[in-house]
Amino acid sequence: SYVLTQPPSVSVAPGKTARITCGGDNLGSKSVHWYQRQPGQAPVLVIFYDNDRPSGIPLRFSGSNSGNTATLTISRVEAEDEADYYCQVWDRTTDHPHVVFGGGTKLTVL
Amino acid sequence: QVQLVQSGAEVKKPGASVKVSCKASGYTFTGYFIHWVRQAPGQGLEWMGWINPNSGVTDYAQSFQGRVTMTRDTSISTVYMELTRLQYVDTAVYYCAKCPPGVGAGELTNWGQGTLVTVSS
Repeated sequence: SYVLTQPPSVSVAPGKTARITCGGDNLGSKSVHWYQRQPGQAPVLVIFYDNDRPSGIPLRFSGSNSGNTATLTISRVEAEDEADYYCQVWDRTTDHPHVVFGGGTKLTVL
Repeated sequence: QVQLVQSGAEVKKPGASVKVSCKASGYTFTGYFIHWVRQAPGQGLEWMGWINPNSGVTDYAQSFQGRVTMTRDTSISTVYMELTRLQYVDTAVYYCAKCPPGVGAGELTNWGQGTLVTVSS
């Protein structure tokens, strides 16, 4: 089945830019969605269809997807951005489409 | 506004079953799929399956086939997820999430608050 690979952790200083990657075979041919999960809270959709932002999500959040890698970029990182981030796609390689999540990346704001 | 409100925490013994509810409001209940996702302690998100509240059609992740059943009651805009033959590894927070209708595409736009299911003897 399809596998999404994320780095376990990323650290960034406040005000800098954080980039969280998500790797998969020919990932650029799929649509990638990103979720933020802060401690003790439910996940929140932050990017959908590679680079669209839901209403209410700051402009600082953006996404890209090409080749084998999708990237969630958080500009001007703030302390409140510290959370776990997950990428998600649909695996449609069989006649039984299913949702696949990456393993998650813990973003630490130094 | 869209809300998904889940039932409260459960403690179950190994071998038992659990049924978690997810009550939807703020949108047309039958117009969107509901997915279930769980997160075990220290682990990532694991997708369990979905239900189409309009038709009742379901699809489950292979790892849960034969153990999970998703149902709905349109009269009260509520979906249910029942997991049987619980094992210690099923200890997790279970989430319901709303998704645009369709199979093979779509994002999980809104999530319930989560229900902690603890399997303990």
